[in-house]
Amino acid sequence: GAGVSQSPSNKVTEKGKDVELRCDPISGHTALYWYRQSLGQGLEFLIYFQGNSAPDKSGLPSDRFSAERTGGSVSTLTIQRTQQEDSAVYLCASSQTSGGGQETQYFGPGTRLLVL
Amino acid sequence: GIQVEQSPPDLILQEGANSTLRCNFSDSVNNLQWFHQNPWGQLINLFYIPSGTKQNGRLSATTVATERYSLLYISSSQTTDSGVYFCAVVWRGGADGLTFGKGTHLIIQP
Repeated sequence: GAGVSQSPSNKVTEKGKDVELRCDPISGHTALYWYRQSLGQGLEFLIYFQGNSAPDKSGLPSDRFSAERTGGSVSTLTIQRTQQEDSAVYLCASSQTSGGGQETQYFGPGTRLLVL
Repeated sequence: GIQVEQSPPDLILQEGANSTLRCNFSDSVNNLQWFHQNPWGQLINLFYIPSGTKQNGRLSATTVATERYSLLYISSSQTTDSGVYFCAVVWRGGADGLTFGKGTHLIIQP
């Protein structure tokens, strides 16, 4: 596609429920990244994929967070048993390759998650 | 990990003024990007500039990697330049994700 797309744009859920956030990267981009932006923590890196592999998951804030990527394209970020502190904007980015991060990352519009 | 500091945190200018935003980082980087976050939250790429100088219209940027800083210049500011400007780096010694500064909140008054 022309840019990185994310869905849903907005998500309101109740504490304790599971949510899935989707990212569709720019066509042909092999690297995909997840970030989140919250008032208290600013913009923070969560995880990246090179193809379908995630070399480093250390940025995920807890074991309630998981991500997968299939077919080297679409990725899903899943948050289990959501908590109010998970409320944030979740951003996805992609780049042509990863290769030490030496490529421009292009960001999607984000998913605004509110946990009540 | 790497530290990224941006200054000033807030800047209010009149339309037509020029401004300089600074980004200091604490270690070697493979990537440095400048972004403008618009009022709808979209991060718009301004520059990919791990070293050297680039210009795009009224905006230009310079990164001096050996001294670990980057500067973003905005000339002849317009109200549409308002928003938050972020500097972000990929640390050479870490994972490939970007580490962001806290941003500079720029307000251009008519």
